[in-house]
Amino acid sequence: KAGVTQTPRYLIKTRGQQVTLSCSPISGHRSVSWYQQTPGQGLQFLFEYFSETQRNKGNFPGRFSGRQFSNSRSEMNVSTLELGDSALYLCASRFAQGTGNTEAFFGQGTRLTVV
Amino acid sequence: DAKTTQPPSMDCAEGRAANLPCNHSTISGNEYVYWYRQIHSQGPQYIIHGLKNNETNEMASLIITEDRKSSTLILPHATLRDTAVYYCIVSSGGSNYKLTFGKGTLLTVNP
Repeated sequence: KAGVTQTPRYLIKTRGQQVTLSCSPISGHRSVSWYQQTPGQGLQFLFEYFSETQRNKGNFPGRFSGRQFSNSRSEMNVSTLELGDSALYLCASRFAQGTGNTEAFFGQGTRLTVV
Repeated sequence: DAKTTQPPSMDCAEGRAANLPCNHSTISGNEYVYWYRQIHSQGPQYIIHGLKNNETNEMASLIITEDRKSSTLILPHATLRDTAVYYCIVSSGGSNYKLTFGKGTLLTVNP
């Protein structure tokens, strides 16, 4: 079974631009979560999508947004990029049904550098 | 803020068992204990999770105290490839699901 796939792996953008990152979950997984990892703040939860609906959101500004498609693939978008948005962005998928607790599997991440 | 407390670093000799402690004294009844590890700049790797019973899989064992306020991850025969940052996380399921990562424990396995 293929794992979580994130594209692109590396990205360089200029301040003020916007960026879209993509995540393809493991087949059959309907939950996709996004995380940001920086040296200063560590791994931080951005948001979770389940069946095309955002279910949970972390403490990030509105410049960070996401969506999920009917095939469970997800994208996250960051608008008006700032230098501080430079980070490793990680996507995780899990098989989530109801209130059950299941493990999440992470992709290798997209390394975003804002210059 | 993370709901868990872990030592910042630990060392282990190759071939020996690595026992990584985690304190989660404020854990709620519906929260599970998860362990992940991250090797430099890669995505976190799921290891194991549990609610109240001890759990074992091909990678590790998870021992949860009876009061559920602490747990220990055991890597039975550590190898150099087990050198990584290990994260202990508590999380509930459903619509409130998220993983709140702390700083974790840097485990260094020495030859």
